[in-house]
Order: sequence, then structure tokens, then C-alpha cells
Amino acid sequence: QVQLKESGPGLVQPSQTLSLTCTVSGFSLTSNSVHWVRQPPGKGLEWMGGIWGDGSTDYNSALKSRLSISRDTSKSQVFLKMNSLQTDDTAIYFCTATFAYWGQGTLVTVSS
Amino acid sequence: DVVLTQTPSILSATIGQSVSISCRSSQSLLDSDGNTYLYWFLQRPGQSPQRLIYLVSNLGSGVPNRFSGSGSGTDFTLKISGVEAEDLGVYYCMQATHAPLTFGSGTKLEIK
Repeated sequence: QVQLKESGPGLVQPSQTLSLTCTVSGFSLTSNSVHWVRQPPGKGLEWMGGIWGDGSTDYNSALKSRLSISRDTSKSQVFLKMNSLQTDDTAIYFCTATFAYWGQGTLVTVSS
Repeated sequence: DVVLTQTPSILSATIGQSVSISCRSSQSLLDSDGNTYLYWFLQRPGQSPQRLIYLVSNLGSGVPNRFSGSGSGTDFTLKISGVEAEDLGVYYCMQATHAPLTFGSGTKLEIK
């Protein structure tokens, strides 16, 4: 069955770079899209960006200048990198495959 | 960016009651390919979002048929015909017709 799991640091210092990995199984990255969605504590969902089956990417315009999404199909992994983190980037970060399958999410806290 | 306006923001229902949630878009969600990329999700407390409906009215895998979606253009509705206790949580609509993808602000369903 399809599974996704996010991994990365739980704590990031302000102004530093966040690196997250989404490891997938049960489906092909070259045939399906994977997206990153985040949710600040007690708030709603925000689409951050995604990588499509052909490898092209789209980003939330508000985050585009500091966000990068890439993948390694041989390892079935999708990566998120976001720089210049601030406290309002504190959130649960989810990866999702075509929005039909979701990881459990990983909490990232931005604090010194 | 496309703005999705969900109403109501809070919905209180008794078990067995039928309820509806509205999602209105600032632009038509009809894509040039003929599809309308409007989705509905349920996020239960402490869980990842679950896709309920895709392409306006198609039921996701394993989703009970008491859930139904309808609408076109800019106006969409999610209906629950006979609320059950497990339906409590926050419901979100999302559009994927126009980049960047956007979510509605959510409707919290409470069980009386």
C-alpha cells in the first residue's frame, strides 16, 4: 500500500535552513505528484509547493523565494529545503501524494 | 491567488442530522482540460487530512457514501447525509486548477 513518512529536525534556529525528507513507498514518483503542506499550531492548511511526475515544480508565491523542492527517484524520496526560517514557520509539515495519501506530519519548531 | 471562502466556519450537528458546507471561489475552477479540480478533506483531531472528494463529486477510496460533493464554476457544496460521531473535525476545500493551489479556511464540525 502507499505510505509516506516525513523526517527532519524538530528544532531549527531562526534564520537557518530547514531540510525535510519525504520517503514514499507503494507508488511511482515519475507517475504521480508529491506536495508539501504545512499547518501552524491551531491554524489551517497551507500548500507550500509540489513536484509533478515529470519533475517540474510549482511553489506557493509567498514562499517561492526561499523554497526548493526536489526528488531522488532511485531512493523514492522527495526533499524540501526552505531558508531564512522565522518563528512563524513553526508548523506541522506534511507530504502528500496526489492529495490522496498523506504522511503523519512532522512538527518543526523555529526557536533559538 | 484564488481565494476559497468556506461557510460556515463552525457547524454544530446532532447524530443523524444532514449538513452542508459551502465553498465559494474567487475565480471559476473549470480548467481548460474540462476538469474542475476541487477537493474536500476532513482533518480529525490530531490526524493528517483525509481526502473525501476529488474533482467536485468523486468519492475517495474508502469514504462512506453519506458524503457527497456538488457544484460547478465558483460554487461548491459538501453534504453529509446523516452525521456520525466519527465525522467531527475540520473540513477543508482545496482548488488545484490555478497555481498556486489554495485551501479554504476550514469548517469545524462539532457534534452536539
